[in-house]
Amino acid sequence: KAGVTQTPRYLIKTRGQQVTLSCSPISGHRSVSWYQQTPGQGLQFLFEYFSETQRNKGNFPGRFSGRQFSNSRSEMNVSTLELGDSALYLCASSLGTSGDTQYFGPGTRLTVL
Amino acid sequence: AQKVTQAQTEISVVEKEDVTLDCVYETRDTTYYLFWYKQPPSGELVFLIRRNSFDEQNEISGRYSWNFQKSTSSFNFTITASQVVDSAVYFCALSEEGNTPLVFGKGTRLSVIA
Repeated sequence: KAGVTQTPRYLIKTRGQQVTLSCSPISGHRSVSWYQQTPGQGLQFLFEYFSETQRNKGNFPGRFSGRQFSNSRSEMNVSTLELGDSALYLCASSLGTSGDTQYFGPGTRLTVL
Repeated sequence: AQKVTQAQTEISVVEKEDVTLDCVYETRDTTYYLFWYKQPPSGELVFLIRRNSFDEQNEISGRYSWNFQKSTSSFNFTITASQVVDSAVYFCALSEEGNTPLVFGKGTRLSVIA
């Protein structure tokens, strides 16, 4: 079974731009979660989508948004980029029931200049 | 609120030594789930183990073992006869009942020196 895939793997943007990251979950998984990893804050939860609906949301500003498609693929968007948005963005997929194991993709490393 | 503490920021050992990574958690739920993940330099989080709060049996998988103790709210991870390939950052994580997101500890960077 193929694992979680994320594209692109690396991105360089400048302040004020916007960016869209993509995640394809493991086949059969209906839940996709996004996490931001920075050296200072560690791994922080952004949001979770299940069956095309946002089910959980972390404590991030409205510049961070996401969506999920009918095939469970998910995208996250960050508008008006700030230097502090530079991070590794990790996507995880799971079956979507309570306590399920989340399997992570390789991440997208975003650098904001 | 749920919280995971990994007090050891960095550990360095010589190859073949045993090493234990500590994890202490806080939760008010009686049903919860604990996880360990490994993050090699490539960046991907690799799943190692999942435990639910009702299963306190210790687990062994090859050179890896886990000690879950509800009495001390700890879920420690031991690598026996460490190898250079074990060098990575290890994260302990917790989720509560009801499809809650994972809450991670800050991670422990393990360096195994040949």
